[in-house]
Amino acid sequence: DTEVTQTPKHLVMGMTNKKSLKCEQHMGHRAMYWYKQKAKKPPELMFVYSYEKLSINESVPSRFSPECPNSSLLNLHLHALQPEDSALYLCASSQGTGGANTEAFFGQGTRLTVV
Amino acid sequence: AQKVTQAQTEISVVEKEDVTLDCVYETRDTTYYLFWYKQPPSGELVFLIRRNSFDEQNEISGRYSWNFQKSTSSFNFTITASQVVDSAVYFCALSLGGGGNKLTFGTGTQLKVEL
Repeated sequence: DTEVTQTPKHLVMGMTNKKSLKCEQHMGHRAMYWYKQKAKKPPELMFVYSYEKLSINESVPSRFSPECPNSSLLNLHLHALQPEDSALYLCASSQGTGGANTEAFFGQGTRLTVV
Repeated sequence: AQKVTQAQTEISVVEKEDVTLDCVYETRDTTYYLFWYKQPPSGELVFLIRRNSFDEQNEISGRYSWNFQKSTSSFNFTITASQVVDSAVYFCALSLGGGGNKLTFGTGTQLKVEL
């Protein structure tokens, strides 16, 4: 079983809605990530948080807003999304962000559909 | 910039056959980390192995084995005596030794194991 928990597992939202994706890990990891994965494509990095601070933003549109309330939680706030934002959103965590502690452990993802 | 190539888009085998998934990478950095992840239909990315650039030892874990060759920039993955439960998409990925832990994924290989 994964130790990274994502909720909800499925989400359908309209283009004017505001919703949030949640991610939680209890492995004591200090780095957390959001990835986006379109069908039949590899995951693409969106954001990296290291010690609760945003360290990487891969030029993600502002309609995606990450938040890291504490070292165990990571949220992704969604607002005014487009249908092309429909994808699997994966959260991951790792002990650190460099050197040997680089293996990331992923959650099961949230399958998002924007209508 | 770094790149990971998985030339095999889809492989079909019959149960108990051995199968090798190829991975070729490109990077100018001397310190880097290579990974294999398994993604079953449920969506979660399951971490299988991490290999450091300075450790070319091959590794075996049960039915899984990995062959890392820096001379050919390859990190191939072999499943011995494949089983239906091995059916999944397998991703090879690379991250650099510096901070950030950005994973660069290959395009993935869909493995189908049939009875």
